[in-house]
Amino acid sequence: AQSVSQHNHHVILSEAASLELGCNYSYGGTVNLFWYVQYPGQHLQLLLKYFSGDPLVKGIKGFEAEFIKSKFSFNLRKPSVQWSDTAEYFCAVNGAGTALIFGKGTTLSVSS
Amino acid sequence: ETGVTQTPRHLVMGMTNKKSLKCEQHLGHNAMYWYKQSAKKPLELMFVYNFKEQTENNSVPSRFSPECPNSSHLFLHLHTLQPEDSALYLCASSQGSRETQYFGPGTRLLVL
Repeated sequence: AQSVSQHNHHVILSEAASLELGCNYSYGGTVNLFWYVQYPGQHLQLLLKYFSGDPLVKGIKGFEAEFIKSKFSFNLRKPSVQWSDTAEYFCAVNGAGTALIFGKGTTLSVSS
Repeated sequence: ETGVTQTPRHLVMGMTNKKSLKCEQHLGHNAMYWYKQSAKKPLELMFVYNFKEQTENNSVPSRFSPECPNSSHLFLHLHTLQPEDSALYLCASSQGSRETQYFGPGTRLLVL
C-alpha cells in the first residue's frame, strides 16, 4: 500500500537557521509530490509541487524541495527560516490512479 | 484567501443529533473531497467525487453520508456519531483527480 513517512514530528529552530524536513514515500510508479503548509489558525495551502521535469522545485516564501527518485524522497528545504514560518508542514503523494496520501505532518517552531 | 468555503466552522453535537457540513468551491473544479484530520494522525481521505459521481469511499462508516448535488457543492450528513468522530473535517477540490487540491478552512466538530 502507498504510504508517506515524515521523519520529524516537531522541529525547533532559531531564526536564520537552515531547515530540512524529510519525506519518504513508498510507491513504485510515477508520482505527483506535494508539500502543504498549515499556519496557525489558517487552512492548508500548497507550498510547492512536483509533477515532472526538474527535480528541484521552488515554491513560495523561499522554500524548495528536491525529488530524488532513487531514494523515494522529497525533502523540503529553506536556507534561512523566519519566525513567520512557524506552522505545520505536510508531505503528500499520489500515484497514477491512487488518492492523495498525506504524511503525519511536522510541526516547525521558529523562535525569534 | 481561499476558493473553498466550509460551513459551519465549529459544530458541537450530541450522539443522537443529525447535522450536515457544507462545502462550496468557487474554482470551477471537477473533483471534490472530504478529509478527516485528527490530532497526531495523518489526514484521512473519506470520500472523492468526480463530476458529481462518488469515485472513492475509504471504508467510512455509514453514519457519515456524503452528497454532491453539483460540481460546486459537497455535503457531509452526520447522524448518530461517536465521540471518537470529533475532529477537523476538511473539504478540498481540484481540477482533476491528480491535480493540486485546494482546501477549505475546515469544520471543527465535537461530538459529546
